[in-house]
Amino acid sequence: DQQVKQNSPSLSVQEGRISILNCDYTNSMFDYFLWYKKYPAEGPTFLISISSIKDKNEDGRFTVFLNKSAKHLSLHIVPSQPGDSAVYFCAATRWGNTPLVFGKGTRLSVIA
Amino acid sequence: DAGVTQSPTHLIKTRGQQVTLRCSPKSGHDTVSWYQQALGQGPQFIFQYYEEEERQRGNFPDRFSGHQFPNYSSELNVNALLLGDSALYLCASYDRVGLNTEAFFGQGTRLTVV
Repeated sequence: DQQVKQNSPSLSVQEGRISILNCDYTNSMFDYFLWYKKYPAEGPTFLISISSIKDKNEDGRFTVFLNKSAKHLSLHIVPSQPGDSAVYFCAATRWGNTPLVFGKGTRLSVIA
Repeated sequence: DAGVTQSPTHLIKTRGQQVTLRCSPKSGHDTVSWYQQALGQGPQFIFQYYEEEERQRGNFPDRFSGHQFPNYSSELNVNALLLGDSALYLCASYDRVGLNTEAFFGQGTRLTVV
């Protein structure tokens, strides 16, 4: 039973446009959500996170939106750059010391 | 500041053999978690070590075991390897005391079982 779902295996976006990556979760106990970026031959790198007490968190070109009632979050990248091409993982957990539960990832390709 | 380092980066083993993977956490971090990432999947939690003890465990068989040393480094051992154990094994560390949920990952060890 997948508790964190990323239903789009891949996404292709033109440079300068917005990239929107989606993530759904089923476990209502999750209260902290993270996005990780992964390049080939590297480990996942933390990108941005959001607590369930918020519905939006911004960091430069990256914004994460959380809709608790829909159990849905999304990552917006504006403007998209070729260097953003990577696999993006959504992860969920309970704040404190519980394991991260990951989605399967979405491969983003930003085309120049 | 060295981040999380893992060794080796690649490994090929035969079915039935045993393997040991190693991880040094980021400086200042005292908690280590191990994840398995199969091809086309997201990382899956194996177990977590803190104060040299296994604190939490995911849905993995007893063939998977680990250890944490006084300097916080950790090992993952897998016995009786199966073809299905072929995966990228990721080590993540974080500061438990600070309740920092932002885990830092190493580059992983790519294990191939033939």
